[in-house]
Amino acid sequence: NAGVTQTPKFRVLKTGQSMTLLCAQDMNHEYMYWYRQDPGMGLRLIHYSVGEGTTAKGEVPDGYNVSRLKKQNFLLGLESAAPSQTSVYFCASSPLTGRGETQYFGPGTRLLVL
Amino acid sequence: QQPVQSPQAVILREGEDAVINCSSSKALYSVHWYRQKHGEAPIFLMILLKGGEQKGHDKISASFNEKKQQSSLYLTASQLSYSGTYFCGTEFWGSQGNLIFGKGTKLSVKP
Repeated sequence: NAGVTQTPKFRVLKTGQSMTLLCAQDMNHEYMYWYRQDPGMGLRLIHYSVGEGTTAKGEVPDGYNVSRLKKQNFLLGLESAAPSQTSVYFCASSPLTGRGETQYFGPGTRLLVL
Repeated sequence: QQPVQSPQAVILREGEDAVINCSSSKALYSVHWYRQKHGEAPIFLMILLKGGEQKGHDKISASFNEKKQQSSLYLTASQLSYSGTYFCGTEFWGSQGNLIFGKGTKLSVKP
């Protein structure tokens, strides 16, 4: 099992450019999450999904969109990147109930917006 | 809603003990603890559920005071490998499945 994988590992964007981050998991988990991590801020939830075809907003959703067309994939989109979106992005997944369950994290994507 | 972790940082010698605290202002369903090393993903350590159930690591213990909405992580006889940043993630009633993480506690274990 690869667990949770993220693509790409690192990306540099110019302000106003768009991009999509891909998260894939092979554990048949229902719940998937996107977080961003900034120095001194901890992990903040951007969007999450409780199953294929469903998405919901987290703490800091502005400027991001997500889609979960397949159970194993969760995509995070930046339509018009801003320097404030420079961060490390982590994807995570969790089993069926989600409640009181471990979240398994991917290795992260480092994004620099110039 | 973000839980408050204390201390922000701690430096230990190998073999010493440490306690990391996590405090919430809202009623908690569970508290999750993760450790993250620099440049890596967070790794699961422990879950404490309302009612006293625990899941997690054999060599690390934790407590959950439901009345005070507080959790503490106990690291005993610390090893160099314990170094990293520890995060608590709080799961609230009504939003189960989602975690709100604290800002982290940086632990450095020196030889």
